[in-house]
Amino acid sequence: DADVTQTPRNRITKTGKRIMLECSQTKGHDRMYWYRQDPGLGLRLIYYSFDVKDINKGEISDGYSVSRQAQAKFSLSLESAIPNQTALYFCATSQGEYEQYFGPGTRLTVT
Amino acid sequence: AQSVTQLGSHVSVSEGALVLLRCNYSSSVPPYLFWYVQYPNQGLQLLLKYTSAATLVKGINGFEAEFKKSETSFHLTKPSAHMSDAAEYFCAVSDVSGNQFYFGTGTSLTVIP
Repeated sequence: DADVTQTPRNRITKTGKRIMLECSQTKGHDRMYWYRQDPGLGLRLIYYSFDVKDINKGEISDGYSVSRQAQAKFSLSLESAIPNQTALYFCATSQGEYEQYFGPGTRLTVT
Repeated sequence: AQSVTQLGSHVSVSEGALVLLRCNYSSSVPPYLFWYVQYPNQGLQLLLKYTSAATLVKGINGFEAEFKKSETSFHLTKPSAHMSDAAEYFCAVSDVSGNQFYFGTGTSLTVIP
């Protein structure tokens, strides 16, 4: 089984809808991250969490919120989706400053 | 904040030729540096990492990278390209505190038969 899983893998939603992307990990890492990937822009950090009680904004947090339900679970919510939030979303985990481990991604389309 | 620059958003090489993907970072303090590979419809996978040990770092699939502090560079190389190397490659740096990772915009590698 994969160490970092994301659900759903693909989602199409309409403008104004609320949507939640979920991430689970079995690596036992404390740190979890949400990124979005857009063509030509690489990965940009949305939010990160160092433990259940620690949530931090990243580079592009506007329009997003997160919840760290447990050490192993980190969810990303779009309260009111808009078309420019169409992107590939990745969850990642790490233990300290070393490498991150990525999930397979969620492809989100907002129409 | 850190920044990472990858020169060349698209690189094409012939099968068997040298692969060179360029990465420069902005930092006065040697950070931790990483190269990741992304195959179509997949997440990012770690190729190699530099964590202040040897400046020449060997990774998976025959890739290696050399940390050059004077040039603030961490270029990725492979002596002989294989068709299976076709993918998107990302350079990344974590800051000294380890709080955040910064990614380059990626380089798409095409291998021509």
